[in-house]
Amino acid sequence: DIQMTQSPSSLSASVGDRVTITCRASQRISSYLNWYQLKPGKAPKLLIYAASSLQSGVPSRFSGGASGTDFSASGTEFTLTISSLQPEDLATYYCQQSYSTPLTFGGGTRVEIK
Amino acid sequence: EEQLLESGGGLVQPGGSLRLSCAASTFTFSSYAMSWVRQPPGKGLEWVSGISGGGDGTYYADSVKGRFTISRDNSKNTLYLQMNSLRAEDTAVYYCAKRDRQYWFFDLWGRGTLVTVSS
Repeated sequence: DIQMTQSPSSLSASVGDRVTITCRASQRISSYLNWYQLKPGKAPKLLIYAASSLQSGVPSRFSGGASGTDFSASGTEFTLTISSLQPEDLATYYCQQSYSTPLTFGGGTRVEIK
Repeated sequence: EEQLLESGGGLVQPGGSLRLSCAASTFTFSSYAMSWVRQPPGKGLEWVSGISGGGDGTYYADSVKGRFTISRDNSKNTLYLQMNSLRAEDTAVYYCAKRDRQYWFFDLWGRGTLVTVSS
């Protein structure tokens, strides 16, 4: 199974701050990496698919990308960035690989507002 | 608006059974693979089971294989999860999710239903 590791597990930032969450896969997964937002009592929401494609209806302050420029890290390191944190972004964020089954998720990153 | 609505959760004793349902609306249900994903209290997401659009292909996480059965009734636009031999570690919010055809991400989720396994 492909293991997904997110960091940090939690963060606290101010409104307007730039926030970056990292997700690492235990093996190369090309761009089969997706990001979700979970809020208590609500349906989870897809934010980013295929590493960098913004899901329809998701605010443009959310973006996804791949980090690591050397060959050894390519296809294994990904980021979710919130360019200007808003109060409604209080949530837990999960990455998920869709390269192979079983589909696996990262451990989550809780984002709090200072 | 596309929507998924889970039902059937509740309190069950260890070793007991429960059947979850997920009603889909406003999309061509039979055209999409579906999955169940769970979240134990205070923990992260875990994919549990998946089924192809026609229902002929089913897939399970090792943690539930042999105990859970996924199925669907495309005439009723409904997904099911039959859970037998339930254990305390099966306690979780269970979400149904619609899977994209090409990239296998989940682009529509329900709000979930809570299953509690306890004596």
